[in-house]
Amino acid sequence: GQQLNQSPQSMFIQEGEDVSMNCTSSSIFNTWLWYKQDPGEGPVLLIALYKAGELTSNGRLTAQFGITRKDSFLNISASIPSDVGIYFCAGQPVSGGTSYGKLTFGQGTILTVHP
Amino acid sequence: GAVVSQHPSWVICKSGTSVKIECRSLDFQATTMFWYRQFPKQSLMLMATSNEGSKATYEQGVEKDKFLINHASLTLSTLTVTSAHPEDSSFYICSARVPGRDSQYFGPGTRLLVL
Repeated sequence: GQQLNQSPQSMFIQEGEDVSMNCTSSSIFNTWLWYKQDPGEGPVLLIALYKAGELTSNGRLTAQFGITRKDSFLNISASIPSDVGIYFCAGQPVSGGTSYGKLTFGQGTILTVHP
Repeated sequence: GAVVSQHPSWVICKSGTSVKIECRSLDFQATTMFWYRQFPKQSLMLMATSNEGSKATYEQGVEKDKFLINHASLTLSTLTVTSAHPEDSSFYICSARVPGRDSQYFGPGTRLLVL
């Protein structure tokens, strides 16, 4: 089945630094989604990408849907302590068949921000 | 918009009892909802796809008689863990697919502890 490789697994940064994480897939995706999960909570959707090459921002967050449709990255600029959490990428396979609507998740990136 | 709620947020039960978890889309109708399970420091694992008005589709290795899913309306899906055992203790999260889009919004999760 499809697998997403998310890296890095964890990051320890100073407040104010920029952060970059990415996901790669062995197959093509229609949609890339980036989520943040705080401890004991459900994932919160940060950015949704629907077209190859699409670059979308949400405040200090910027994400891009790779041209090959097999990768995506998420950047966080000027990190602050509340950015701490686990960030997951998720991909929506090409529509149709039994995979329709299902998301494939990356392993997550644990972000720690030191004040 | 796109708010999903879950109830209860946490539950403790004795081994052998059944537990029902509700997932509601509050401001949109969701023909498709998903149920995930998450272990500490791991990614989300899809258990089943819940379709309004039809039977749920279970992922390989998930016992359908153990995890009963009912999606009786466009805003409510329920997951019942039958005859719960300690190994069923986990964080259960639902998501709802926004009609016409490939993005999913997650509920806040339900922490289940089986003694």
